[in-house]
Amino acid sequence: DGGITQSPKYLFRKEGQNVTLSCEQNLNHDAMYWYRQDPGQGLRLIYYSQIVNDFQKGDIAEGYSVSREKKESFPLTVTSAQKNPTAFYLCASTPGVRGTEAFFGQGTRLTVV
Amino acid sequence: SQQGEEDPQALSIQEGENATMNCSYKTSINNLQWYRQNSGRGLVHLILIRSNEREKHSGRLRVTLDTSKKSSSLLITASRAADTASYFCATDEGPGGSRLTFGEGTQLTVNP
Repeated sequence: DGGITQSPKYLFRKEGQNVTLSCEQNLNHDAMYWYRQDPGQGLRLIYYSQIVNDFQKGDIAEGYSVSREKKESFPLTVTSAQKNPTAFYLCASTPGVRGTEAFFGQGTRLTVV
Repeated sequence: SQQGEEDPQALSIQEGENATMNCSYKTSINNLQWYRQNSGRGLVHLILIRSNEREKHSGRLRVTLDTSKKSSSLLITASRAADTASYFCATDEGPGGSRLTFGEGTQLTVNP
């Protein structure tokens, strides 16, 4: 089945640690996105990538980093510089053509302990 | 910054009633999409309406778009308890519509 997979579903981080969230898609989509969602809030764009080896900052990129070495993969690293990382993180992909629907993973819930 | 802003933030209705949610946006768009999110899950695409369309239907969903007012509405008719979820509008921004930006969402509760 084609889809987009995020792992892990739950992640716990100690203060000062970097953690990496995985996002993999087998939809052959060019564009991939990372969003952060806080309780009862909307989605805020962290980073997005339209093609391999290229990505752009979203609205809240500080304290996060990404890479896009393969079309299928767009991992997100939450660095120790992100002071309030506890949130629900969602990855999405689109074919990259304007006016097409986005497919979402099931999310990773990150908690700082 | 949030491109789309939904209202109301929360809506509680009885089964069988209609639910209407509104979305406003700031910049020019090529299309506007509506998504649904069950608690703690990813978003699921519901419907897309292009800027040259005024109304679109899909099952019990009806979406309208008024580009002069920069607003859209989502109507769910004959609501069911299973429709309980958060609903978000999304617009494409940036060069070639490369940024997909979501609003704050409307939390819909349908009481049995």
